[in-house]
Amino acid sequence: NAGVMQNPRHLVRRRGQEARLRCSPMKGHSHVYWYRQLPEEGLKFMVYLQKENIIDESGMPKERFSAEFPKEGPSILRIQQVVRGDSAAYFCASSPSVPANIQYFGAGTRLSVL
Amino acid sequence: GQNIDQPTEMTATEGAIVQINCTYQTSGFNGLFWYQQHAGEAPTFLSYNVLDGLEEKGRFSSFLSRSKGYSYLLLKELQMKDSASYLCAVRDNPGTASKLTFGTGTRLQVTL
Repeated sequence: NAGVMQNPRHLVRRRGQEARLRCSPMKGHSHVYWYRQLPEEGLKFMVYLQKENIIDESGMPKERFSAEFPKEGPSILRIQQVVRGDSAAYFCASSPSVPANIQYFGAGTRLSVL
Repeated sequence: GQNIDQPTEMTATEGAIVQINCTYQTSGFNGLFWYQQHAGEAPTFLSYNVLDGLEEKGRFSSFLSRSKGYSYLLLKELQMKDSASYLCAVRDNPGTASKLTFGTGTRLQVTL
């Protein structure tokens, strides 16, 4: 049973380009969460999705960031017109629909904006 | 607002016991989680408490006091591989499937 799969592991973009980060949840998990981790800081919640629905996007910046979890395929976190401040590690987690709902994390995508 | 506090760094000796504390002030409470994170890697789930008391799992135990807004993670028989950051997180929404709010993590260094 594969864990949460994220790709790419490392992504380099120039200022103004777009970044697409992908996340495939664990088998049987229907809840996906995205978190951002800046150097020397804690994980910050960004968005929580179920299939075809955004449940909570209270941590998403209002501009340039969007997320989706289509009926088929992985969840995508999209950052348009990246800036240097977007450089961070982006982690995806997934959880099942059972009590406790433990969130299991992927290895993350490290985005570097030049 | 949400506030989760844990010490920034701790050092302990191989074979010893270490306790990492976490205090929280959140608008709601629906579970407290501990994760381990090695540098450059994914956070790995360690423990979950939703009721007061101690949960034991091998060398790791976690305690919760909801009235005090307090938890600790206890690591016994420390090994060098336990050197990592330990993240305390609270789920503050009533729904069981909801976001986690994390502390900044405690970096533990295990020495010989």
